[in-house]
Amino acid sequence: DAGVIQSPRHEVTEMGQEVTLRCKPISGHNSLFWYRQTMMRGLELLIYFNNNVPIDDSGMPEDRFSAKMPNASFSTLKIQPSEPRDSAVYFCASSFSGDTQYFGPGTRLTVL
Amino acid sequence: AQSVAQPEDQVNVAEGNPLTVKCTYSVSGNPYLFWYVQYPNRGLQFLLKYITGDNLVKGSYGFEAEFNKSQTSFHLKKPSALVSDSALYFCAVRDMGGGSYIPTFGRGTSLIVHP
Repeated sequence: DAGVIQSPRHEVTEMGQEVTLRCKPISGHNSLFWYRQTMMRGLELLIYFNNNVPIDDSGMPEDRFSAKMPNASFSTLKIQPSEPRDSAVYFCASSFSGDTQYFGPGTRLTVL
Repeated sequence: AQSVAQPEDQVNVAEGNPLTVKCTYSVSGNPYLFWYVQYPNRGLQFLLKYITGDNLVKGSYGFEAEFNKSQTSFHLKKPSALVSDSALYFCAVRDMGGGSYIPTFGRGTSLIVHP
C-alpha cells in the first residue's frame, strides 16, 4: 500500500488566491481527518469525515475554508481567499473505525 | 470529554541512556492510547497503541509504553536512546465509550538525543 497520498507537497501562493489541497486515503479506511500544524498552535484538527460524510468541522477556522470528500478515495481542502496567517503544514490522515491514524507527508503552504 | 497532557516541551538525553517521554490523559470511559513520532519535514508515524490487556506495550524502533490506570499515564520509554531517535513525539487518546472516532493529541514533546 502506498499510504496516504497528499498533493502538492509544497504550495506557494499570494494572498487572495484560491488554494486546493488534495488527499487520497488508504484503501479500506472509512475515516479521514484534515489537520493543520504550526509552531504556535501545534497540531489542530480541522475536519473529520466518516464514510465520506463530514461529521465534525468545528475546527475549520472560518468560511474561507471548505472540505469535500466526494468518494472514499479522494478529499480536498480548499482555502479561498488565502491569507498569510494560513501558512502552515496541512496533513491528511486516515483510519479504520477509530483505530490507528496514518498520516500523509503533508502539504507545506506559504501564503505571501 | 477527553484530554491529554505532555508536560515537557523538550527532553534531553545522552545517547545510550534510557529515555522517558511523559503523557497523562483524561477520559470518561476506557482509554484508547497512541504514541506517534514525527521526524523533520515528515508526517506523524504510528509507534504503538494500548487498547486493553498487558499494561506494557511494545512498539516500533525498540520503544515501549506503560499504561498506568491509577495514575492515568501512558509514558513512552526506551532502554537505550539513539541519536536517530531525536524527533517530535505525540501522545493521543480516544475515549472508547465516547462514540466518536476523533482522538485528542498532546502538544508534542521534542526529544533530543546527544551523542
